[in-house]
Amino acid sequence: AQSVTQLGSHVSVSEGALVLLRCNYSSSVPPYLFWYVQYPNQGLQLLLKYTSAATLVKGINGFEAEFKKSETSFHLTKPSAHMSDAAEYFCAVSVQGGADGLTFGKGTHLIIQP
Amino acid sequence: EAGVAQSPRYKIIEKRQSVAFWCNPISGHATLYWYQQILGQGPKLLIQFQNNGVVDDSQLPKDRFSAERLKGVDSTLKIQPAKLEDSAVYLCASSLDRGLAETQYFGPGTRLLVL
Repeated sequence: AQSVTQLGSHVSVSEGALVLLRCNYSSSVPPYLFWYVQYPNQGLQLLLKYTSAATLVKGINGFEAEFKKSETSFHLTKPSAHMSDAAEYFCAVSVQGGADGLTFGKGTHLIIQP
Repeated sequence: EAGVAQSPRYKIIEKRQSVAFWCNPISGHATLYWYQQILGQGPKLLIQFQNNGVVDDSQLPKDRFSAERLKGVDSTLKIQPAKLEDSAVYLCASSLDRGLAETQYFGPGTRLLVL
């Protein structure tokens, strides 16, 4: 079965600094990987997804993620944090041979300090 | 384009009572999902529908949870009887079709508190 581990339940960065949110996956078959963002009292919104095309994936709001098979990682980055980026971020995986439903990590709460 | 709609947004009940949640997916979306998100955790898939048929319900506690998607559009998730550990946010999502790379669009969720 597939799984996702997000390192760090809370990450704090200063406004304008680099954002790095870590995600490692476990899967015996090639995975599809997703990053979702959740603002308070709202549903999840897709930031970006990896579907075996380019390993560097660009998403909305200036976020990007790089798929590294050798490291089984799919870390999310943004060069310069903005106050509006404060939210909960979830990494998720789906794999061939399983159902289409996503398996999510526990989430990382991103805090932006002024 | 209207998003995924859910109601109610909040619900408080006592244990052993029953409760139902409603979801209206994005128009034209054939696939519908229900997820349970317990505080401090990521969402967990409960059930997936393709049109009005069940694709996967392997993680649905069938002794107390039930779901249906009549006519392949709206869906209802029911809990009967509720337990304290059912306190969570119940998220509905929809996608245009089945597929591992399909984007799932989420509703705002229903926050359930069982006392």
